[in-house]
Amino acid sequence: GESVGLHLPTLSVQEGDNSIINCAYSNSASDYFIWYKQESGKGPQFIIDIRSNMDKRQGQRVTVLLNKTVKHLSLQIAATQPGDSAVYFCAENPGGSQGNLIFGKGTKLSVKP
Amino acid sequence: DAGVTQSPTHLIKTRGQQVTLRCSPKSGHDTVSWYQQALGQGPQFIFQYYEEEERQRGNFPDRFSGHQFPNYSSELNVNALLLGDSALYLCASSTLGAGNEKLFFGSGTQLSVL
Repeated sequence: GESVGLHLPTLSVQEGDNSIINCAYSNSASDYFIWYKQESGKGPQFIIDIRSNMDKRQGQRVTVLLNKTVKHLSLQIAATQPGDSAVYFCAENPGGSQGNLIFGKGTKLSVKP
Repeated sequence: DAGVTQSPTHLIKTRGQQVTLRCSPKSGHDTVSWYQQALGQGPQFIFQYYEEEERQRGNFPDRFSGHQFPNYSSELNVNALLLGDSALYLCASSTLGAGNEKLFFGSGTQLSVL
């Protein structure tokens, strides 16, 4: 999602529910995508990645979906827990430039116990 | 096995001063990338160092410079600080030499410019 200034999009879910966080990426040449989780006072933590030759990848409690037609990425978190509360960023690698990730503006996930 | 470590964790400077931030990459990593994260925003790429050379650079002025040492650790230097340089500075390491794009981030240095 988009944000204006300091106002991050926020997703509020009940503990145990599934969460879906969406992201629109910018570069049709991007061939690698990553989701990061950032807790307050910490650096981004790797969650899951996907290459452009795939449209779905699953990890532990997380699934990433990639729709290249509309340049859309989503992160699904199953059975969301209070420890999942954080800001989530999608990032894209614009083709062949390892390490030069372009980050989205982030979505704040709040999990209510 | 230590992850990416950065120092200092917090720093306060005044306009016009210079600052040096330090980063030690994760064990086994050979590449260091620096990012600037303003409050409420995603990280923005500053530059990347591999084999002691700057390999890529983002849209940042020449006031931002860096260095990588033979042990793969790195420094970020910012000259003539502006109020707008206040941000969280993140270091990320990876193994460019092995073609691995996955970045591991440190906890960052919070820089405040007064």
